[in-house]
Amino acid sequence: EIVLTQSPGTLSLSPGERATLSCRASQSVSNSYLAWYQQKLGQAPRLLIYGASIRATGIPDRFSGSGSGTDFTLTISRLEPEDFAVYYCQQYGSSPPWTFGQGTKVEIK
Amino acid sequence: EVQLVESGGGLVQRGGSLRLSCAASGFTVNSNYMSWVRQAPGKGLEWVSIIYSGGSTYYADSVKGRFTISRDNSKNTLYLQMNSLRAEDTAVYYCARDLFHWGQGILVTVSS
Repeated sequence: EIVLTQSPGTLSLSPGERATLSCRASQSVSNSYLAWYQQKLGQAPRLLIYGASIRATGIPDRFSGSGSGTDFTLTISRLEPEDFAVYYCQQYGSSPPWTFGQGTKVEIK
Repeated sequence: EVQLVESGGGLVQRGGSLRLSCAASGFTVNSNYMSWVRQAPGKGLEWVSIIYSGGSTYYADSVKGRFTISRDNSKNTLYLQMNSLRAEDTAVYYCARDLFHWGQGILVTVSS
């Protein structure tokens, strides 16, 4: 089973600032099958990025994903008020089980 | 429009059983892979199970042997049969079609 470790646990930033979230895998994620989700309190997760760097439909271009192998990054170029939430990475490689990281909370400073 | 609506959650005693349903519309449940993901109160997301369009199924180690994922194409519904429930199974359970579409979630509470 691939273990995903997200850092930092909490990111305290102000609107307009840049957010950089990390997701490190315990072994290589095949075909860069790495996704990022945003979750707000009481809501289902919302897919932001899949294939490590492909934005899902309707996702603003301030969200970008990068990385391969074992190291992946989600960047929010300029935080909007609605971006303060919890973010999860997930690997969905060729063979389950699939796994999630433990999450990074982006909070208002 | 793709819609997923979970039902069947509630309060159950430890050791008991529950079957969750996920009614799909806007697509057919056997045309995509579908999965269950859960979230314990105040905790992160945990992948539970998946069923591929071809019928192959996989489970997280934490539920293997106790949970069964299935689908009924005639009802266009995904299921999760949960047996031998434990307190640590208490969570909101989400069904999802591929990565893109998620239901609103349903709460399962296992009392000890």
